[in-house]
Amino acid sequence: DQQVKQNSPSLSVQEGRISILNCDYTNSMFDYFLWYKKYPAEGPTFLISISSIKDKNEDGRFTVFLNKSAKHLSLHIVPSQPGDSAVYFCAASGRNNAGNMLTFGGGTRLMVKP
Amino acid sequence: KAGVTQTPRYLIKTRGQQVTLSCSPISGHRSVSWYQQTPGQGLQFLFEYFSETQRNKGNFPGRFSGRQFSNSRSEMNVSTLELGDSALYLCASSGDASSYEQYFGPGTRLTVT
Repeated sequence: DQQVKQNSPSLSVQEGRISILNCDYTNSMFDYFLWYKKYPAEGPTFLISISSIKDKNEDGRFTVFLNKSAKHLSLHIVPSQPGDSAVYFCAASGRNNAGNMLTFGGGTRLMVKP
Repeated sequence: KAGVTQTPRYLIKTRGQQVTLSCSPISGHRSVSWYQQTPGQGLQFLFEYFSETQRNKGNFPGRFSGRQFSNSRSEMNVSTLELGDSALYLCASSGDASSYEQYFGPGTRLTVT
């Protein structure tokens, strides 16, 4: 039972345009969401997060939107750059956990074309 | 601050053997989590340690175990290795008991032959 899903395995975008990566979750106990970027043979790099008390969080070119009623979040990257090409994972956590435990989606491979 | 470090970076073992992987968290971080990444199953949570106590455990068999030392460094052990244990093992640290943001190391690539 996948509690966090990224339905698009890949996304191709032209440099300078907007990249939108989507993520859906099923567990209503999740109250904190994170996005990570991963290059091959490296560990995931934390990008941005959002608490369930907010519906938007922005950090430079990265904005995460949360729609709690739809159990959906998205990551917007504007403008997209070739260096953004990587696999992006969304992750979720919640207070039903005794400690820190992230549940990850399957990832979306973003390719930004020059 | 130095990031999360993991040793070794690459490892080749034979079925039936056991392996120990090591993780040093970011200085000051007390929570260490371990994840397994495989092409088929994605990133899956193994366990988390905080102040030398296991706080959370994922759905993995008992062959997978871990521990944390007083300096927050952590080790994970896999006994009786199977071919399906071949994976990238990732360690992540976070600052305190309530911090959701985890910072990952580069991982240890384990190949079981």
